[in-house]
Amino acid sequence: GAGVSQSPSNKVTEKGKDVELRCDPISGHTALYWYRQSLGQGLEFLIYFQGNSAPDKSGLPSDRFSAERTGGSVSTLTIQRTQQEDSAVYLCASSSSGSPYNEQFFGPGTRLTVL
Amino acid sequence: QQQVKQSPQSLIVQKGGISIINCAYENTAFDYFPWYQQFPGKGPALLIAIRPDVSEKKEGRFTISFNKSAKQFSLHIMDSQPGDSATYFCAACSGSARQLTFGSGTQLTVLP
Repeated sequence: GAGVSQSPSNKVTEKGKDVELRCDPISGHTALYWYRQSLGQGLEFLIYFQGNSAPDKSGLPSDRFSAERTGGSVSTLTIQRTQQEDSAVYLCASSSSGSPYNEQFFGPGTRLTVL
Repeated sequence: QQQVKQSPQSLIVQKGGISIINCAYENTAFDYFPWYQQFPGKGPALLIAIRPDVSEKKEGRFTISFNKSAKQFSLHIMDSQPGDSATYFCAACSGSARQLTFGSGTQLTVLP
């Protein structure tokens, strides 16, 4: 079956512009995660959605970052007034339930470059 | 206390050799320790995972060794192959957590 898909695969933007990154999770997966992977760094947790529960936004680095998940499926990560330090690969993952013990299936990521 | 420290940052191994990647944690509530493998241009994928009730888990050429008292765990890749060249991430979580805590990653290169 189809895995997690993300779009665009690459995004180049100018400092100060807003960007939207999209994630299509595996059908039926109730949990969805966003991570940021900077060059040579690990995976930094950003936000977590589980079913209809309030999202866990504890990893968002600033109020310029926001995310929503519509209809329990597709999710959009929005970065407002982008800064050069926002340049990174943004990864989305989904899981069949909200348990952290369940395997997370990752998409290929969106590489964001802020000039 | 939520950190997972991973070493080395990069590792070069000859084909047929053993690759060893180490991770250490502080949070004694962690009770699930997966390893993820990431190829260039791809997202990470679950490779193998262990619970602290066992000291070792083996799947093919991949083995996790777990030392609960030392709060350390490691990934061993036996008979390393060029196709194993990737970035490896250790991770940890507890049942009360909502997400995994990942290590910083190890870039493994296996020379032919």
